[in-house]
Amino acid sequence: GESVGLHLPTLSVQEGDNSIINCAYSNSASDYFIWYKQESGKGPQFIIDIRSNMDKRQGQRVTVLLNKTVKHLSLQIAATQPGDSAVYFCAETYGGSQGNLIFGKGTKLSVKP
Amino acid sequence: KAGVTQTPRYLIKTRGQQVTLSCSPISGHRSVSWYQQTPGQGLQFLFEYFSETQRNKGNFPGRFSGRQFSNSRSEMNVSTLELGDSALYLCASSLTSDRLVYGYTFGSGTRLTVV
Repeated sequence: GESVGLHLPTLSVQEGDNSIINCAYSNSASDYFIWYKQESGKGPQFIIDIRSNMDKRQGQRVTVLLNKTVKHLSLQIAATQPGDSAVYFCAETYGGSQGNLIFGKGTKLSVKP
Repeated sequence: KAGVTQTPRYLIKTRGQQVTLSCSPISGHRSVSWYQQTPGQGLQFLFEYFSETQRNKGNFPGRFSGRQFSNSRSEMNVSTLELGDSALYLCASSLTSDRLVYGYTFGSGTRLTVV
């Protein structure tokens, strides 16, 4: 079946640099996307979301870009900090309710001090 | 306010046994979803409940079942445990499952190990 995938399983960046985490989705009907952060021993934590009628959405130090033409989603983290080290997941949903999310495999972000 | 509470945090069961996991949503939340997280398959949707009714079900065998009570607390049950059921089981709750208003908060999960 269709699923969300991630391009890079691991990403290592220097503290203070910007990070970009990518995600590909295959279901053109998906209309709502979410980025989560998961730290060791914890459940996923909501970071930012975007709907298919938008191309870009900004939060505090984070920006999500959506390119529906190539079915691509990215999360940009500005001035990456050691506390940003975690596994990042993208998730998609279409139709129905928000409780049924399709998650990507995850990208592990490591921030070097 | 208190977050999503999942009990127990850790559980070890023997193959063939059954297990019940509990999820207490954030006060006032009426929607609860369950996910299974494994290193190989990642996060996979199990069920979604809203006001005691199952709204969606993922692609899992019938050994996996769930329910939601009138106070919105939810339980999931796995019967005839298999080694492959070893996973982190996550529960998330929201005020509503309305797609216009996102608000799912995850608990820290129950780590189930089947031996």
